[in-house]
Amino acid sequence: AQRVTQPEKLLSVFKGAPVELKCNYSYSGSPELFWYVQYSRQRLQLLLRHISRESIKGFTADLNKGETSFHLKKPFAQEEDSAMYYCALRGGSNYKLTFGKGTLLTVNP
Amino acid sequence: NAGVTQTPKFQVLKTGQSMTLQCAQDMNHNSMYWYRQDPGMGLRLIYYSASEGTTDKGEVPNGYNVSRLNKREFSLRLESAAPSQTSVYFCASLTDGAGNTIYFGEGSWLTVV
Repeated sequence: AQRVTQPEKLLSVFKGAPVELKCNYSYSGSPELFWYVQYSRQRLQLLLRHISRESIKGFTADLNKGETSFHLKKPFAQEEDSAMYYCALRGGSNYKLTFGKGTLLTVNP
Repeated sequence: NAGVTQTPKFQVLKTGQSMTLQCAQDMNHNSMYWYRQDPGMGLRLIYYSASEGTTDKGEVPNGYNVSRLNKREFSLRLESAAPSQTSVYFCASLTDGAGNTIYFGEGSWLTVV
């Protein structure tokens, strides 16, 4: 079974502060991990994926297999980062994409 | 290239009525999905289709049926709507090969009264 846990439903920070959105996963094989973002009343869109090791909009995420985590980080939050963030896992060759319950990030001015 | 298109965008149903949510993608993807999004529950997979002609249950399939009509289209049917099915429904499709990316439709807001 594959599972994604996002322990924080809500996260509130001030503009310019660092932000970390936590994601832990459970999967016995080699997973693919993703972060998706949903701005108010818009469709979900891919933010980044672990295999690309990229930085998008200042966000980065590192896959830690030892801790089974894929936390999303940004050193200086901006107000436009306010959104719902979902961590997702795709396990190996199967086609099931499992999402966490999401974290609503609010960046205050 | 429209991506993933789903209709209708908004619908109000009475308990017991039936309806079908339509989804089409023009990216030639093999895999397609239906999710529902509820406050505090995140996205939950209802059904998915790994390829044309195949469908599989996700986490919350009860009360729903799906049809993978062809490679482009994947519809979700509510045979007898219940208030518990009030939700936002998202259709999605997945790119093939390494570095998969899932693309979502804009969502369908369904209210069952």
